[in-house]
Amino acid sequence: NAGVTQTPKFQVLKTGQSMTLQCAQDMNHEYMSWYRQDPGMGLRLIHYSVGAGITDQGEVPNGYNVSRSTTEDFPLRLLSAAPSQTSVYFCASSYDLGRGYGYTFGSGTRLTVV
Amino acid sequence: SQQGEEDPQALSIQEGENATMNCSYKTSINNLQWYRQNSGRGLVHLILIRSNEREKHSGRLRVTLDTSKKSSSLLITASRAADTASYFCATAKEGGAQKLVFGQGTRLTINP
Repeated sequence: NAGVTQTPKFQVLKTGQSMTLQCAQDMNHEYMSWYRQDPGMGLRLIHYSVGAGITDQGEVPNGYNVSRSTTEDFPLRLLSAAPSQTSVYFCASSYDLGRGYGYTFGSGTRLTVV
Repeated sequence: SQQGEEDPQALSIQEGENATMNCSYKTSINNLQWYRQNSGRGLVHLILIRSNEREKHSGRLRVTLDTSKKSSSLLITASRAADTASYFCATAKEGGAQKLVFGQGTRLTINP
């Protein structure tokens, strides 16, 4: 089925470990973003991309890296996990936000850092 | 900081009643979008209104936009138990529509 696929769904990390959250979409969308959702704080934008090879920082980029080598994939790397990065992470994609297309969201990755 | 702020933070109504949620934002926008999130799930896009539009309908949803007041409202008519969810507004800024910034959401509970 077409959509946004995030893996893994759940992950527990120890402080200082690194990992990559995977995000893939098969809708040929140019726009992709990563958000984190913490209780009572809504969604905060981490990084976004408007096409392959183009990425930029959002509101809370520290501690995270992204790359966009293909249109389909937009992985999020945690460089050295900290307890403050415990959160639910959502990846989303859109055909064109500026021309009025909404985001399609993945089902999320629940990350716990101990 | 969050661009959009929803009001109220929580709303509880009886099934069949109408539910109204409000969103205020700070800067000029290209468009404003509303999303629904069921507990433990990802967000689902509901409706989008452009900055040059004042009202839009989709089924039981009605969205209004007042750019002079930098505010929007989402009306759900004839609510159902299945409408229980969190609702978020999100704004794509004018000149910066590649970023979508979300508010903190309104938690809506429909009581049978």
